[in-house]
Amino acid sequence: GAVVSQHPSWVICKSGTSVKIECRSLDFQATTMFWYRQFPKQSLMLMATSNEGSKATYEQGVEKDKFLINHASLTLSTLTVTSAHPEDSSFYICSARVPYGELFFGEGSRLTVL
Amino acid sequence: KQEVTQIPAALSVPEGENLVLNCSFTDSAIYNLQWFRQDPGKGLTSLLLIQSSQREQTSGRLNASLDKSSGRSTLYIAASQPGDSATYLCAVRGTGNQFYFGTGTSLTVIP
Repeated sequence: GAVVSQHPSWVICKSGTSVKIECRSLDFQATTMFWYRQFPKQSLMLMATSNEGSKATYEQGVEKDKFLINHASLTLSTLTVTSAHPEDSSFYICSARVPYGELFFGEGSRLTVL
Repeated sequence: KQEVTQIPAALSVPEGENLVLNCSFTDSAIYNLQWFRQDPGKGLTSLLLIQSSQREQTSGRLNASLDKSSGRSTLYIAASQPGDSATYLCAVRGTGNQFYFGTGTSLTVIP
């Protein structure tokens, strides 16, 4: 299957700093990527849909200024958690859809804000 | 809004048993349905994709069926192994770009 790579897999930062997470489609072009957040023992919560060359579409309740998404190329989308606080600590996962419809996920990025 | 439910939430079986995981959805107007497994602290691995026009898909010991009219899908795992222990998630894609995920079934296969 297609490969989606996420980096970093684990990041620890101080409160108030910003953290960038990258999501790359390695062997296909993805005009659309998705960003999710997952709390322990819970399912995925869609945060936003990232569209190449245009603004991301955020789900209700997700702060656009807090979670900045950039999808500058067909193979890369980034999520920046700005001025991170302990409550932002979570597991963030990206996914991308291949043209025939199958969804592939990155390995996830665990963010811990001290 | 589409709602996706997975039953049971947790399942524990001895090695070698065949098992069935269930996924139900409220809106039958779907584009496709996909089954994933997630290991602790990891991303999701795609297992099977069933397009809305298909009834089932098979991959190795896994077989997934889709009954759109009744809003149900099942994932059948034959001859379960300890390595099958993981959380299994189903996801339904609506006719737009939206994907709706179930809450998952946590499977433990006991050696």
